[in-house]
Amino acid sequence: QVQLQESGPRLVQPSGTLSLTCAVSSDSIRNTNWWKWVRQSPGKGLEWIGELYHTGETHYNPSLGSRVTISVDKSKNQLSLKLTSVTAADTALYYCARVGAYGDYFGAPFDIWGRGTMVTVSS
Amino acid sequence: NFMLTQPHSVSESPGKTVTISCTRSSGSIVSNYVQWYQVRPGSSPATVIYENKQRPSGVPARFSGSVDSSANSASLTISGLKPEDEADYYCQSYESRNLVFGGGTKLTVL
Repeated sequence: QVQLQESGPRLVQPSGTLSLTCAVSSDSIRNTNWWKWVRQSPGKGLEWIGELYHTGETHYNPSLGSRVTISVDKSKNQLSLKLTSVTAADTALYYCARVGAYGDYFGAPFDIWGRGTMVTVSS
Repeated sequence: NFMLTQPHSVSESPGKTVTISCTRSSGSIVSNYVQWYQVRPGSSPATVIYENKQRPSGVPARFSGSVDSSANSASLTISGLKPEDEADYYCQSYESRNLVFGGGTKLTVL
């Protein structure tokens, strides 16, 4: 079964850039059409960050504006997330996830999630 | 943009039935599918209902979903509650390339 593993710095300075990768194992990243990032701030709910379609098309949460970029490196079989100008409000558990088993359209349910990686924004 | 509103918390006894609502603020609830996720402490989310009422394989039949167009809301119903059902539950829908989660409902099985 496909497995996802998020990684990246656990601590990011305010106003800096948060950079995470999601390694995909047991399958090629090319075999999934939709890849997503979701986060959960401490004590709060799930928040959609954005997603990448296999064509390269991306869609982002309007609340994050132009701060977010999602990309894929097919040669490394990994997904990436960059979030610029971070503040304490960006402190969260970050998940990568994919869509596949239950539908293949924007908004389709996630079927596989990573375990998440906690990122703290603090000086 | 729209919002999905869920009750902050619900509680019920083992063996009973509980229903969690998810109300859409604007636009029709039937315009786009609603998905439901379960998040147990220390675990990643898992889909328990997709496309309003479909159950993934492995999810007990005790879990069911529905949509009420008159109330512009979706519901997740869990019958025969078990202690392991205690978790946070989130609804999710979408429109125009914007994906929205509800605020989540904490289910306590007393």
